[in-house]
Amino acid sequence: AQSVAQPEDQVNVAEGNPLTVKCTYSVSGNPYLFWYVQYPNRGLQFLLKYITGDNLVKGSYGFEAEFNKSQTSFHLKKPSALVSDSALYFCAPPAGSGAGSYQLTFGKGTKLSVIP
Amino acid sequence: DTGVSQDPRHKITKRGQNVTFRCDPISEHNRLYWYRQTLGQGPEFLTYFQNEAQLEKSRLLSDRFSAERPKGSFSTLEIQRTEQGDSAMYLCASSLTAAGQFFGPGTRLTVL
Repeated sequence: AQSVAQPEDQVNVAEGNPLTVKCTYSVSGNPYLFWYVQYPNRGLQFLLKYITGDNLVKGSYGFEAEFNKSQTSFHLKKPSALVSDSALYFCAPPAGSGAGSYQLTFGKGTKLSVIP
Repeated sequence: DTGVSQDPRHKITKRGQNVTFRCDPISEHNRLYWYRQTLGQGPEFLTYFQNEAQLEKSRLLSDRFSAERPKGSFSTLEIQRTEQGDSAMYLCASSLTAAGQFFGPGTRLTVL
């Protein structure tokens, strides 16, 4: 079973500064980890995933995440924040089951506000 | 547009009425999921289809909820005798493998 924690409900960053949205995980076995973003009044959009392979994962919209096994973290990063990055971010592990569903389990997410 | 589509985008109904939502997944995706999201919370899993078979249901899915996916293509989610607590955003997602789900824009239900 997998679980994740996003320790910050809200992150504020100035436009142009680097941003980090934190996610730590607890898992037995090899973790599958996903990041999704939800813009206001819109559905969830897939950003990136870690399954196996390179620890640095590059995703959509210039985002990347680093899988760190020793720190059990999968933080989302972007070198230079844009105002348009303001949204709700979810770190979501799939919950595998015998039915093969791999439904995603979401917490409350982290609200990112990029200040002009 | 080859993404996941949902219809309607908004639905307002009176308590006690039945409502039905439709989801059209990405055409080659055999896995389809329904989630529900209430204000201030992340989405919660409701049910899962692989092709036309409904293989998993959350305990959140009471007897008033039913979902179908005839022929393994589009899916419908019906809520009977709606209650105010059913007010939420209903999200549909599809995937080809376990490697990532693609979400539709959602149907926002308001029960008066």
